[in-house]
Parts: sequence; C-alpha cells; structure tokens
Amino acid sequence: DSGVTQTPKHLITATGQRVTLRCSPRSGDLSVYWYQQSLDQGLQFLIQYYNGEERAKGNILERFSAQQFPDLHSELNLSSLELGDSALYFCASSVARTLAGAHKNIQYFGAGTRLSVL
Amino acid sequence: AQTVTQSQPEMSVQEAETVTLSCTYDTSENNYYLFWYKQPPSRQMILVIRQEAYKQQNATENRFSVNFQKAAKSFSLKISDSQLGDTAMYFCAFMKHFQGGSEKLVFGKGTKLTVNP
Repeated sequence: DSGVTQTPKHLITATGQRVTLRCSPRSGDLSVYWYQQSLDQGLQFLIQYYNGEERAKGNILERFSAQQFPDLHSELNLSSLELGDSALYFCASSVARTLAGAHKNIQYFGAGTRLSVL
Repeated sequence: AQTVTQSQPEMSVQEAETVTLSCTYDTSENNYYLFWYKQPPSRQMILVIRQEAYKQQNATENRFSVNFQKAAKSFSLKISDSQLGDTAMYFCAFMKHFQGGSEKLVFGKGTKLTVNP
C-alpha cells in the first residue's frame, strides 16, 4: 500500500458529462501530481500542486482542472467529457521539502481511477 | 524537453533466469533522477529502483540492478532470478533535479515483461 488513496476506483459516464476524481496524498506529503495513462498517449503528466498552489502544468486540456485543498487532498475535475478521455488517471504524492533521511524526489502512486466515457 | 525511449515493447524470460530491459533518454540537464516503475496487472504503479545522476555507482535493490551510463544516456534494468510475480509492465522514467522538492516524471512507453514457468 503506497499510502495514496484515490476514489472512485471506477467511473462510467456519458459524453458531455462532468466528473470529479479525488486523491488523498500520503501523510505529510505536500506535493500532489496527476497523470493520465491511455493506450495511445502512454503515461502523461497533467498537473502538480504544492501545498495548495499550482506548481506545474503539463498536457492538461482546458476542459480539465484541479485543485488542492487546505487538508492537502486534491481533486481533478473533468468536464464536457469525450470518448477520448477514457483512461486511467493516477495521483501521486511526494515529500516536497528537505528532510534528513527522507526519500525526497520519489513519487508514490495511488491505485488509479479508471474512467470510461460511453 | 526530455524524452524517454524504451525500445522493447515486449519481452519474456524463463523463471529463475536473468533479463535486461533497455531505456535511453534525452536531456540537456546535468542533474536528474532516473526511475524504474513496475505496473502489474493490478495496475498499481510500484517503484522498483531509483538512480541519482550524480552518483557513478549503479543502484541495486535485491534482485534488481541498473546499468547507468550517463554519457550514453542509457539506463537499463537487470532482473536476476526472475519470479512469476515480476510479470508486469515496466516503465522507465526521468525527473529533473529541483532543489527543495520533486519534479514531474517523464515516462517511456513501457516494456511488457512476461515471466514463464
């Protein structure tokens, strides 16, 4: 168990709909990352949050947005869903500060949310 | 931009034998990290091994070891004494060094490894 929790595990919805994916990072981790895994694009970085603020953006569509809350959990919102958005969405967290003995720069992944858009 | 290439889409190995998975990357950075992640059928992404570019010594974790060739930008994974539980997709990943934290991971397309009994 990585300590990163993602809900739900599976999500089936229709085109045009909006969904929210939730991620709880490991205790004490300030950074949260979202990745999308699809057959044609592979594993791609979407967005990173650090302590509530957006830190980096990757190939994230304008229809997608994310936020990180004061308790450090994060949500990824996907709207106007298209068939091509069907994918496995991963959240990862990491220690984003220097700690003696800490394994910084290692990202721990949740089990993912499988999104199916019909 | 960094790119990671895994040239072997699929590989197979007999149980107890040794197999090597290849990975090359392209970067202009001098300080960075390289990782191998494993994704079994359960789809969980599991860290296998990590290498810091400034360290010349190759990382090892039990049956897993890497051959890191910085000049050649090569980072291969060797699995010794292969076990059935090693059957999985293996992803090579690159991360730029960032003082004070962690950067995004750039992944290769993966190598599907099957360990046969």
